[in-house]
Amino acid sequence: NAGVTQTPKFRILKIGQSMTLQCTQDMNHNYMYWYRQDPGMGLKLIYYSVGAGITDKGEVPNGYNVSRSTTEDFPLRLELAAPSQTSVYFCASSSAGGGYTFGSGTRLTVV
Amino acid sequence: QQQVKQSPQSLIVQKGGISIINCAYENTAFDYFPWYQQFPGKGPALLIAIRPDVSEKKEGRFTISFNKSAKQFSLHIMDSQPGDSATYFCAASIKGTSYGKLTFGQGTILTVHP
Repeated sequence: NAGVTQTPKFRILKIGQSMTLQCTQDMNHNYMYWYRQDPGMGLKLIYYSVGAGITDKGEVPNGYNVSRSTTEDFPLRLELAAPSQTSVYFCASSSAGGGYTFGSGTRLTVV
Repeated sequence: QQQVKQSPQSLIVQKGGISIINCAYENTAFDYFPWYQQFPGKGPALLIAIRPDVSEKKEGRFTISFNKSAKQFSLHIMDSQPGDSATYFCAASIKGTSYGKLTFGQGTILTVHP
C-alpha cells in the first residue's frame, strides 16, 4: 500500500526552466491537493481537485498549473521557475470527510 | 477570515513534561480541526482531530481542547517523550462542504530533551 507517491524527491532548477512534479495515489481518493511549505509559514494551498477533470485554485496558485486526467494522478507544473518558488512541495489526498494522506514531499531549489 | 494562527513557533520541553500548543481561528464556519505531526524529511501525518460539538478529545497521551466561544483550540501532549520531537501543525476546514480544504497554522517545532 504505497499511499501518496511524489517524484522527484529533490530538484534544482535554473530560473526560467520548467518542470512537472508528479503525484500519484493508490487509495482511490477523489480529493487531491498541492501545498507548499516554507519555514515559519505553515502549508499554503496551491491547487486542489475534487475529482478527475475538476481543478481549482487555492491560496497561492500564481506560477503553477495542474491537471487531473485520472483519479490517481495530480501533477503540478511550474512553467517559468522563479527563486520565489524555492520550497518544499507536498501532495495530499483524501476521501470525502476523511483526513489527508500526504506524500513525502519534493524539495525544489530555483537558482 | 481564513487564517489559523498558531503559537508558539518553537517549544522546548523536558522528558515527562507537558507540551501545549495553541491555535486561534477567525472563520466561524470552520467545523473540523485536525492536528498534524511532521518528522524531518517526511510529510505531515494526521495525529488527532476534533469537531466543535465536543470540548475535548483524548487519544493516548494526546488531547485536543476546544473552546468554541473563544475560537481557540489546543494540543496537549502529556508525558512528552524525545520521540515526540517534531513539527506540529494545527489546521481547520469547513467539512460541511463536499470536501475539506485545510487551512494550516504556521507550525510549532517541538523539542523534547531526554
